[in-house]
Amino acid sequence: EDKVVQSPLSLVVHEGDTVTLNCSYEVTNFRSLLWYKQEKKAPTFLFMLTSSGIEKKSGRLSSILDKKELFSILNITATQTGDSAIYLCAVINNAGNMLTFGGGTRLMVKP
Amino acid sequence: DVKVTQSSRYLVKRTGEKVFLECVQDMDHENMFWYRQDPGLGLRLIYFSYDVKMKEKGDIPEGYSVSREKKERFSLILESASTNQTSMYLCASSIRHWRGRGAFFGQGTRLTVV
Repeated sequence: EDKVVQSPLSLVVHEGDTVTLNCSYEVTNFRSLLWYKQEKKAPTFLFMLTSSGIEKKSGRLSSILDKKELFSILNITATQTGDSAIYLCAVINNAGNMLTFGGGTRLMVKP
Repeated sequence: DVKVTQSSRYLVKRTGEKVFLECVQDMDHENMFWYRQDPGLGLRLIYFSYDVKMKEKGDIPEGYSVSREKKERFSLILESASTNQTSMYLCASSIRHWRGRGAFFGQGTRLTVV
């Protein structure tokens, strides 16, 4: 059974801090890993990672995948209160038709 | 922009009722998914479909069925609603081979079964 595990479960930081969110996976026929941000409504797409060691960046967010150790990290620098959300990690199987999510990390950024 | 629309934001149903949750996407996506989201458990896959009339069970299909008669529409059916099906239900769609893009989600339907 495919498994995606995120840590920590929740995190409270102050504005300006840097955070690192973790996602490890045990998936047969891995294809890609996705990161999502979920505020009050639907998850919104952040990154898709397919190749190992290549960092993807979008503003203060960045992410990297390690296919040998089977994990990914999501970094957020200079956090803002608007970064408060649940961050979800998901893995796509090789056939491209199954998306398995981790349990999410709830991030709260205090002013 | 891709739009995934779920027919209801909030629903309250009685135990034993048959419940239909509808999802429509407007980007000609091949893949469509139904998830439920519960605190502490993340998103769990109920069913997915990769083509019209095709469906595959996800991790928690018991108590649910699905229908995909048209490419743009994927329905989740609770044959006889029970209180343990009270949850947030999220529909998503994606192109078949992803090509660097994620799945796009609807706004969710919060279902309460009383």
